[in-house]
Amino acid sequence: VVMTQSPLSLPVSLGQPASISCKSSQNLIHSDGDTYLNWYQQRPGQSPRRLIYKVSNRDSGVPDRFSGSGSGTEFTLKISRVEAEDVGIYYCMQATHWPPYTFGQGTKLEIK
Amino acid sequence: QVQLQESGPGLVKPSQTLSLTCTVSGGSLNSGDYYWSWIRQSPGKGLEWIGYMSYSGATYKNPSLDSRVTISLDTSKNQFSLKLTFLTAADTAVYYCARVQGLALPNDAFDIWGQGTMVTVSS
Repeated sequence: VVMTQSPLSLPVSLGQPASISCKSSQNLIHSDGDTYLNWYQQRPGQSPRRLIYKVSNRDSGVPDRFSGSGSGTEFTLKISRVEAEDVGIYYCMQATHWPPYTFGQGTKLEIK
Repeated sequence: QVQLQESGPGLVKPSQTLSLTCTVSGGSLNSGDYYWSWIRQSPGKGLEWIGYMSYSGATYKNPSLDSRVTISLDTSKNQFSLKLTFLTAADTAVYYCARVQGLALPNDAFDIWGQGTMVTVSS
């Protein structure tokens, strides 16, 4: 399954919203009824951190300005108001059609 | 809080075997409901899942790497390991260990990651 993110680069002003798109080459709904689509944040010099699992479930400690949505083959990560600590690369990843798990190519968010 | 820490050689020669270890702290490998994973990240291929193993021995690997990958657990040391054979320059990457909570398949994948270790394959 190929995961395609857009844009690849996202300059955003502080306090402004941001939106990242992720499209999969196959429908990500599993026969168990769940959709296994995660979002990860990788800050500069750090390892990836899971933000969202199963499309819209925020991990513990993730600010509520982050939200995930979508279904089928189209998914979106939104940040309601970008803060300086949000700078980094964001990846979507599918776990429905495995092996293997597959990641998007990443979207680099920077402050304008 | 569970933490993971990778260790291993930073430089390996082509055709040789890479051996990496991940040390688990703040939790136990044999506590049951986890898969212990390896993932790598390179400029050319991005993030690539290598494989994972559970305490019970269930092992799943990326088909593209299957024949070259061995994953093992050492519960006495609270460590798990990766061996990758027949290395080429294409295996140059940052290697991460990570945890999957729960043994269901499919699952919500990687909730905790180590900080990564850079491996360069070069003569």
